[in-house]
Amino acid sequence: GAVVSQHPSRVICKSGTSVKIECRSLDFQATTMFWYRQFPKQSLMLMATSNEGSKATYEQGVEKDKFLINHASLTLSTLTVTSAHPEDSSFYICSAVTGDPLYEQYFGPGTRLTVT
Amino acid sequence: AQKVTQAQTEISVVEKEDVTLDCVYETRDTTYYLFWYKQPPSGELVFLIRRNSFDEQNEISGRYSWNFQKSTSSFNFTITASQVVDSAVYFCALSEISDSGNTPLVFGKGTRLSVIA
Repeated sequence: GAVVSQHPSRVICKSGTSVKIECRSLDFQATTMFWYRQFPKQSLMLMATSNEGSKATYEQGVEKDKFLINHASLTLSTLTVTSAHPEDSSFYICSAVTGDPLYEQYFGPGTRLTVT
Repeated sequence: AQKVTQAQTEISVVEKEDVTLDCVYETRDTTYYLFWYKQPPSGELVFLIRRNSFDEQNEISGRYSWNFQKSTSSFNFTITASQVVDSAVYFCALSEISDSGNTPLVFGKGTRLSVIA
């Protein structure tokens, strides 16, 4: 199957700093990527939909100025957590969607963010 | 709105026992996909199955089997002869089917399965 990578896999940062997480589709082009967040022992919740060449669509309750998403190419979407706080500590997972006709969704391995 | 319910929060079984993980879903869409994923302690989601709502045939893959019952909106997952390596959190998920393909997954809360040797 298709491969999606995320970098970094783990990151620890200090409160108030910004962190960038990359999501790459390695062997296919993805016009759409999704960003999910998973708090400890909870389910995955959709944060935003990232579309190549256009603004991301954020789910209700997700601050677009805090979670900046850039989908500058068909193989790369980035999520920047700005002015991170301890409550932003979570597991962030991206997924990328292959094209027509299958529209299969492949998940990255996730990025564990810890804000101290 | 779409919703996935996994009523079993945690299940513990002894190795070699069979175990069924329940999944009930709600959707207004007439066409949709159902999924099961395994999430081991590493966190990475492992894809297990995607089922189209048109296809109600049950599926078997090795020790895994899935029972899709559209009449009861359920998509249950059974592991036969469970093994310690099956210990993980299992998520059931749902997505609509659209022409553009850009529809996210709605996940259930997950069932944590512990298989004891």
